Amino acid sequence: GAGVSQSPRYKVAKRGQDVALRCDPISGHVSLFWYQQALGQGPEFLTYFQNEAQLDKSGLPSDRFFAERPEGSVSTLKIQRTQQEDSAVYLCASSLRTANQPQHFGDGTRLSIL
Amino acid sequence: AQKITQTQPGMFVQEKEAVTLDCTYDTSDPSYGLFWYKQPSSGEMIFLIYQGSYDQQNATEGRYSLNFQKARKSANLVISASQLGDSAMYFCAMGPGNAGNMLTFGGGTRLMVKP
Repeated sequence: GAGVSQSPRYKVAKRGQDVALRCDPISGHVSLFWYQQALGQGPEFLTYFQNEAQLDKSGLPSDRFFAERPEGSVSTLKIQRTQQEDSAVYLCASSLRTANQPQHFGDGTRLSIL
Repeated sequence: AQKITQTQPGMFVQEKEAVTLDCTYDTSDPSYGLFWYKQPSSGEMIFLIYQGSYDQQNATEGRYSLNFQKARKSANLVISASQLGDSAMYFCAMGPGNAGNMLTFGGGTRLMVKP
């Protein structure tokens, strides 16, 4: 499709398990962003890639969170040793490199940690 | 640091009427962009409209317009002729003026359109 694609749409994991969330951005979009959205709140920035380079990871809440984009296209957000507070919707967005271009979001992955 | 404030947690509007959703912001950057997104109950974030800090005119996109008052640091969204399908969460967001445009979001306003 032409939009940002995220998978899985829903993920349920037990506390302590590792999870991996995938994002396939719009073709040709150089910039890729991950956000975390808690229930009833606005999204919060996690990390940002320009091509394969991770230029900002200041929003990652702990060293259990790791993101990569090895070939400058698909990105994976990995959470190790999940905890209940990790339960949220994880949104991926992509945009052209030019400043102030709108970010186009995927449908998100709803992660529930039991 | 950038901050976005949306003071209306929820709003009702009658179908076919206009509605204004408030957004104020705070930043020390001279160059920035302001964005509005719509998030229906299905969860996707839909881009609606963009205003650059140096734009002289208010942005418009179909039934959406942005009332940009730079001195007051406000960027209110106006939706004209509301439709039932406009019922959703609306988020105001801002990004810096450089290419690393990570967005800072407000807490959102839930709009409910009454038939």
